[in-house]
Amino acid sequence: GNSVTQMEGPVTLSEEAFLTINCTYTATGYPSLFWYVQYPGEGLQLLLKATKADDKGSNKGFEATYRKETTSFHLEKGSVQVSDSAVYFCALAGTYKYIFGTGTRLKVLA
Amino acid sequence: DTGVSQNPRHKITKRGQNVTFRCDPISEHNRLYWYRQTLGQGPEFLTYFQNEAQLEKSRLLSDRFSAERPKGSFSTLEIQRTEQGDSAMYLCASSLAGQGAIGYTFGSGTRLTVV
Repeated sequence: GNSVTQMEGPVTLSEEAFLTINCTYTATGYPSLFWYVQYPGEGLQLLLKATKADDKGSNKGFEATYRKETTSFHLEKGSVQVSDSAVYFCALAGTYKYIFGTGTRLKVLA
Repeated sequence: DTGVSQNPRHKITKRGQNVTFRCDPISEHNRLYWYRQTLGQGPEFLTYFQNEAQLEKSRLLSDRFSAERPKGSFSTLEIQRTEQGDSAMYLCASSLAGQGAIGYTFGSGTRLTVV
């Protein structure tokens, strides 16, 4: 069946450091891929998405490229801020429902 | 529109009690979804409705769980005879049928603690 694997956390970085959170997927067909962010005590917020191979999703300085050949959708940001501290979820979706990874906690230190 | 609203935000209950959560979707959205998120895990799909019809139920939704959307607007999720393993964040989302997962809006969730 479909599944998502993302790197375990926590990831601890200093402010202005480069961020990469790895995500790979297994799927039949051509799902859409997503990154969601969850701040403490809150629900999920869509960070970015890509709907087909080679698409790049971007938002708030975060980027991820849909790589069909490596079945990956790694999240990157060039310079993280303390306010980026949160849990990040990689997910895939078919027509109507999501399959999420287990989440990666990011801690950014000032 | 105020987005997807879930109530209560937090619920603490004793094992064996029944609990009910409510979700109010975005008014024009005809699909409504429930997910469960346990500590340290990603959300998992439970069930979804299109209008008032419940179209799919996950194996995670045991007989103690029941979800309704009686008029195709708000939805309730009831858990009977709660167990400690039911402690989780219960997330609701809504979308338009034609938009699928891309059109989801999630609520802030209801955090259930069973003691």
